[in-house]
Amino acid sequence: KQEVTQIPAALSVPEGENLVLNCSFTDSAIYNLQWFRQDPGKGLTSLLLIQSSQREQTSGRLNASLDKSSGRSTLYIAASQPGDSATYLCAVFDTDKLIFGTGTRLQVFP
Amino acid sequence: DAGITQSPRHKVTETGTPVTLRCHQTENHRYMYWYRQDPGHGLRLIHYSYGVKDTDKGEVSDGYSVSRSKTEDFLLTLESATSSQTSVYFCAISGPTGLRSSYEQYFGPGTRLTVT
Repeated sequence: KQEVTQIPAALSVPEGENLVLNCSFTDSAIYNLQWFRQDPGKGLTSLLLIQSSQREQTSGRLNASLDKSSGRSTLYIAASQPGDSATYLCAVFDTDKLIFGTGTRLQVFP
Repeated sequence: DAGITQSPRHKVTETGTPVTLRCHQTENHRYMYWYRQDPGHGLRLIHYSYGVKDTDKGEVSDGYSVSRSKTEDFLLTLESATSSQTSVYFCAISGPTGLRSSYEQYFGPGTRLTVT
């Protein structure tokens, strides 16, 4: 059974830092991996989608990498800002559904 | 933002009553999904649809039914609500066509349901 883990569960950093969020999954036979952002009381916003044949995707200050063989993905956020404060979720598309991790709660303070 | 709306946004209901949640999309996407989000469990798939009148079960489908009579609408029904169904429910859409696995999923704003 596929399991998705995100470490750390929470992270607090000063504004301007570059940071890395980690996502690991137990079964490498995935179709794609998606990173989301969720603000309190809100829905999920899709940040990046990496297909299984890709190694990374970039959008603005965000860069996500995928290493299927080791079952890992990282989300790199450059020059963090207070507006980046949110919970970040990764999810893998496995067989027929997305399986979510429980997220990393990020706080960026001025 | 993807054109997805959910109604109602908040609902309080009593145990044993039927409840229907509605998801409406304006993107003409083929696939639609219902998830629930609970502390300690994250997001879990309830049901999904791959076209009009075509639906399938997800991970936590017991106690729920769905219907899709039009491309743009996907309904989630709790036939007889229980306290364990208190949760935040999210609808998602993906893919104009082709394989589900190829596309990003876009989420609606959620419905907070409380069953007393």
